[in-house]
Amino acid sequence: QKEVEQNSGPLSVPEGAIASLNCTYSDRGSQSFFWYRQYSGKSPELIMSIYSNGDKEDGRFTAQLNKASQYVSLLIRDSQPSDSATYLCAVNRGSNDYKLSFGAGTTVTVRA
Amino acid sequence: SAVISQKPSRDICQRGTSLTIQCQVDSQVTMMFWYRQQPGQSLTLIATANQGSEATYESGFVIDKFPISRPNLTFSTLTVSNMSPEDSSIYLCSVKESYEQYFGPGTRLTVT
Repeated sequence: QKEVEQNSGPLSVPEGAIASLNCTYSDRGSQSFFWYRQYSGKSPELIMSIYSNGDKEDGRFTAQLNKASQYVSLLIRDSQPSDSATYLCAVNRGSNDYKLSFGAGTTVTVRA
Repeated sequence: SAVISQKPSRDICQRGTSLTIQCQVDSQVTMMFWYRQQPGQSLTLIATANQGSEATYESGFVIDKFPISRPNLTFSTLTVSNMSPEDSSIYLCSVKESYEQYFGPGTRLTVT
């Protein structure tokens, strides 16, 4: 079982719709969860971090965490063409471990 | 967040040679990391660069192939030694601030 798994994609959504990205992780001791956005040819950019169960909203982005189900998701509301990118889920490797494991990424294309 | 720069941004090298990649941060940071992103793949942690001591390498990566220096809290280098075409990747440094990690712009390496 991979440490971090994401829905494989690619995900194509019309402009203005909600894009939903999912991520599951294997280590129950993980405490820190991150979403990075990576445009083609660029380095990953941190867009959301979440540490507690529930929802965290930042602008058009909402991260959701359920530690019991070992599940973290990212919703992008009112999707824009500029949201077209690969989204990487990252999880710390266990309690008190600062190192991150990354999922394979989900590529999102927003159709104008 | 800290501003991170890398040199060179890209390079084309011949097999059997070595390349040293520099990572400079505009503030002092305790933890710096080096990652590799092979074409079409996600990020893989190579090592943690420790200031004043040897780097800590992940499984599958060895010091002879990827020597790392960390002379102070703002600078690190990664050398890719005795290169082969399989080393063609993007190499990224990252820094840890609080619980979060931020990435430099990356170095795109092509080995011919």
